[in-house]
Amino acid sequence: DGGITQSPKYLFRKEGQNVTLSCEQNLNHDAMYWYRQDPGQGLRLIYYSQIVNDFQKGDIAEGYSVSREKKESFPLTVTSAQKNPTAFYLCASSALGLAWDTDTQYFGPGTRLTVL
Amino acid sequence: KQEVTQIPAALSVPEGENLVLNCSFTDSAIYNLQWFRQDPGKGLTSLLLIQSSQREQTSGRLNASLDKSSGRSTLYIAASQPGDSATYLCAVRKGSTLGRLYFGRGTQLTVWP
Repeated sequence: DGGITQSPKYLFRKEGQNVTLSCEQNLNHDAMYWYRQDPGQGLRLIYYSQIVNDFQKGDIAEGYSVSREKKESFPLTVTSAQKNPTAFYLCASSALGLAWDTDTQYFGPGTRLTVL
Repeated sequence: KQEVTQIPAALSVPEGENLVLNCSFTDSAIYNLQWFRQDPGKGLTSLLLIQSSQREQTSGRLNASLDKSSGRSTLYIAASQPGDSATYLCAVRKGSTLGRLYFGRGTQLTVWP
């Protein structure tokens, strides 16, 4: 089955720890994204990547880091510098090509991160 | 910066009603607009995508319209069912090289039997 997987589904972090959220896609999509969702809020973009070994900051990148060593993988690290990391994190991917104006983003099931 | 607003924030209706969800955006220079559905604790599922050159899209009981010049979109749900209960998110895309989306906060819909 084609799709996006995120792991773990639930993650608990102690203050001062770095944690890494996994995102994998087998849709052969070029672009991948990380969003953060807080209760009653829309999605806010953390980082995005158009191509392997390249990524850009979104609106709320402080305290987060990413890597894109493989096309299918885009892990997100929540560092200790992120002061309020408790949230629901969503990964997405989309195709970039000739039909760029009709592409849709496909979302993973999300990871809920809680700081203890 | 693109701002996306959704009204109402929450809506509770009896089964069978036709209903309208509203979305407005501040910058009309968009490439497309999407409506997503999100069930509690889950990811997003794309419902409809309207290109900037289109006026509406239909899928089953769902119909989405787009008025780019006024910065508005509506999602019309016909003959609502309890299974339609979810949060509906509107998102607009700007930019020609990357599918970056700007999201509204969503409308939480409850359809009761």
